[in-house]
Amino acid sequence: QVQVVQSGAEVKKPGASVKVSCKASGYTFTSNYINWVRQAPGQGLEWMGIINPSGGSKTYAQKFQGRITLTRDTSPSTVYMELSSLTSEDTAVYYCATLSTPDDYWGQGTPVTVSS
Amino acid sequence: SYELTQPSSVSVSPGQTAGITCSGDVVAKNYVRWFQQKPGQAPVMVMYKDSVRPSGIPERFSGSSSGTTVTLTISGAQIGDEADYYCYSAADDNWGLFGGGTKLTVL
Repeated sequence: QVQVVQSGAEVKKPGASVKVSCKASGYTFTSNYINWVRQAPGQGLEWMGIINPSGGSKTYAQKFQGRITLTRDTSPSTVYMELSSLTSEDTAVYYCATLSTPDDYWGQGTPVTVSS
Repeated sequence: SYELTQPSSVSVSPGQTAGITCSGDVVAKNYVRWFQQKPGQAPVMVMYKDSVRPSGIPERFSGSSSGTTVTLTISGAQIGDEADYYCYSAADDNWGLFGGGTKLTVL
């Protein structure tokens, strides 16, 4: 049974960084890329970046270049998303997801609140 | 342009057919997936490769593509289909893009 479990909610001050983890189990970790997607309150889905758990290669959305870092540990099967220089506009639910086909797997989401 | 454009809202009566469009240059070159998201839940993929339904998705969901526009069609819409729908495309160099989302109202 596939499970994708993210770390818990975070509250950060402006200017700080946040690091969210995403642990996958029930499938071969290196067989699916992991994407990060966020959703601000009342807003749509926003693609942030993708990492290949096998080789570690990554692609970031231009909007987050310079602020986002994706990393992975193959043991345990975990991917990390770190976002720096946080502002109130980064308040959102952050999801990791394989976005694979025919089956895709999503984490439960990690709420991140940025507030002074 | 690297944008996917969707209508902000679509309304349909129960039992009627709803169509949600997704337009952009990237659609002509890359497959599109559709995601359904209900309040407080993670998105669920309801279509991939423009018109392929994942297992477990009802047959009333279908997809089509023409040029720079793809369409998600829900035939015989049900109250339970009320949700936000997002199109998504992944380009060859791995970057991804979501449409702005469409709120489907069934009433």
